[in-house]
Amino acid sequence: AQKVTQAQTEISVVEKEDVTLDCVYETRDTTYYLFWYKQPPSGELVFLIRRNSFDEQNEISGRYSWNFQKSTSSFNFTITASQVVDSAVYFCALSDVYNTDKLIFGTGTRLQVFP
Amino acid sequence: ETGVTQTPRHLVMGMTNKKSLKCEQHLGHNAMYWYKQSAKKPLELMFVYNFKEQTENNSVPSRFSPECPNSSHLFLHLHTLQPEDSALYLCASEPRGRSTGELFFGEGSRLTVL
Repeated sequence: AQKVTQAQTEISVVEKEDVTLDCVYETRDTTYYLFWYKQPPSGELVFLIRRNSFDEQNEISGRYSWNFQKSTSSFNFTITASQVVDSAVYFCALSDVYNTDKLIFGTGTRLQVFP
Repeated sequence: ETGVTQTPRHLVMGMTNKKSLKCEQHLGHNAMYWYKQSAKKPLELMFVYNFKEQTENNSVPSRFSPECPNSSHLFLHLHTLQPEDSALYLCASEPRGRSTGELFFGEGSRLTVL
């Protein structure tokens, strides 16, 4: 069975702090996709990244970076120098590469960044 | 403006009412989804439509009835709901032909069942 665990329910930081959101997944598939989505207070989920299980290189996009470690089944997300606008709920998700219709989401981590 | 518009944004209904949620996407996508988001639970996939055809029904109770008249519009008809159906209902779309899992979501319809 596929499962995504985001153990951190809520994190609070002060602006400019770095913060890491953890994601641990379970799957029997040998090929899969991992995702992160952001849900701001307005409600819509916004796609941030998709990572193929074959590609274990870390990725950086501006203040965002992702650390994929197959050995520990983790796909962690770090925000550097956090800003108030980063306040949102962040979801990690998993899917089969041949059937992305069925995204398996975690329960989300609520990040609050205080000024 | 996300390109996916959901109405109404908020809905309160009694258990015997019949109401509908509407989703419209302006992105030219061919796949549309309904998700249910309840507090402290993972998002639950409810239905998937590809080119107006339902391709996924994730064991959803029959009191939820989807309708997809064309690739741009998706409805969720609600009748005789239960209080535990109170949740945020999210619509999403995706360009079919390249299954990437990159979904475009609406802002959701917050449903309260009394």
